[in-house]
Amino acid sequence: SQKIEQNSEALNIQEGKTATLTCNYTNYSPAYLQWYRQDPGRGPVFLLLIRENEKEKRKERLKVTFDTTLKQSLFHITASQPADSATYLCATILTGGGNKLTFGTGTQLKVEL
Amino acid sequence: ETGVTQTPRHLVMGMTNKKSLKCEQHLGHNAMYWYKQSAKKPLELMFVYNFKEQTENNSVPSRFSPECPNSSHLFLHLHTLQPEDSALYLCASSQQGDNEQFFGPGTRLTVL
Repeated sequence: SQKIEQNSEALNIQEGKTATLTCNYTNYSPAYLQWYRQDPGRGPVFLLLIRENEKEKRKERLKVTFDTTLKQSLFHITASQPADSATYLCATILTGGGNKLTFGTGTQLKVEL
Repeated sequence: ETGVTQTPRHLVMGMTNKKSLKCEQHLGHNAMYWYKQSAKKPLELMFVYNFKEQTENNSVPSRFSPECPNSSHLFLHLHTLQPEDSALYLCASSQQGDNEQFFGPGTRLTVL
C-alpha cells in the first residue's frame, strides 16, 4: 500500500546547528511533497512545497530536497533557533486522492540553547 | 492567524451529549476539510467539501455528521460519541486546485 513515513523519534539539536528531517514514501510517485510546521495545541502551518521535477527549494533558513530515486524528501533548517522547536509534518496526495492530503506522523524537533 | 477560525477551542462532553464544532474561513476558498488528530497518529482526513458539496467521507462513523451551509462555514455535529473519539479536531480550507491548506487552531475534544 502507499505510505508516507517520518521518523517518529524526536530530534534534539543544539542552537546554531542544521536540523535535518526525513520523509520517506513507498509504493507510489508523488507529484509533490509539502512540509508543515505544527506547534502544540495548534493547527499545522504550511511551509514549503517541492515538486517532483525540482531537486531543491529554499525559503529563508529552510531548504527542502526531493530525491525520486531514494523516494525521500529532506527538510533542513539552518542556523536553528529555539523558536524552531515544533513538530514538522510532510504531506502529499496519494494516487487517486483528488485534493485529499495524506500526512506523515510528524517529527518533533527541539532546539536547545 | 491563518484566516481559519474554530469554536470552541476546548470541549468536554459526555457520551450521551450532542454538540457541534464550528469552522469559518475568511480566505475566499472553495474547499473545506475536517481532520482528526490523535496522539502519536497522523492527521486523519474525515470529510472534504468542494463548493459546498461533500466529496469525501473517509469511512467516518455516523456519530460524526458534517454540514456545510456555504463555502465559508463548516460544522461537525457530534452525538453519542465514544471516549476514543477524544482528539484534536482540525478544520482546513484551500482553493480547489491549489495544494496548500490553511488550518484552524483546532478544537480539543474530550469525551467522558
